[in-house]
Amino acid sequence: DAKTTQPNSMESNEEEPVHLPCNHSTISGTDYIHWYRQLPSQGPEYVIHGLTSNVNNRMASLAIAEDRKSSTLILHRATLRDAAVYYCILKSNFGNEKLTFGTGTRLTIIP
Amino acid sequence: DGGITQSPKYLFRKEGQNVTLSCEQNLNHDAMYWYRQDPGQGLRLIYYSQIVNDFQKGDIAEGYSVSREKKESFPLTVTSAQKNPTAFYLCASSLDGIIAGELFFGEGSRLTVL
Repeated sequence: DAKTTQPNSMESNEEEPVHLPCNHSTISGTDYIHWYRQLPSQGPEYVIHGLTSNVNNRMASLAIAEDRKSSTLILHRATLRDAAVYYCILKSNFGNEKLTFGTGTRLTIIP
Repeated sequence: DGGITQSPKYLFRKEGQNVTLSCEQNLNHDAMYWYRQDPGQGLRLIYYSQIVNDFQKGDIAEGYSVSREKKESFPLTVTSAQKNPTAFYLCASSLDGIIAGELFFGEGSRLTVL
């Protein structure tokens, strides 16, 4: 399975944009890039996903590199409620359901 | 409201006992999953099921068993053969186990073996 690499931790000031990077150099053509986040003692929550084009939703934006070997989750204006562990995972469109969640990036928001 | 319900939220077990964690969804999803999370770690897949009466082992299936007799239910049994069962267990579902859809997670069950 293609793997992802994320920084262990990041900090950002409240009300500023946050860019969370993810490297996936062995991504295959059928892999979608998914982002989830997990608050303490809760289950992960879906944030966004994409294949090739940049994606926007009410929570965040996903910028995907042209070669698809990396992507960036963008939180446009961080709030204290965005403090969580963010996971970048690859999900194939061909039934490979062994989804691998790495250790993710722990995002700390500074008031 | 639609969603995934896991129970119990907290569970204590003595060594050598089997314990079953419940996972129910009313989202009409075909696919369901069980993950294990240890402190400071990511999620590891235990078992998954893409359709009723069928399931596959994930990366760490040893010491666990599942069943999928109904679409809405996917219980996980932690057997006495599981060497280190103390962990946070998460159940998830998705509309279709094939296409790259969103995973919906329950709130988790925290198992502690005394």
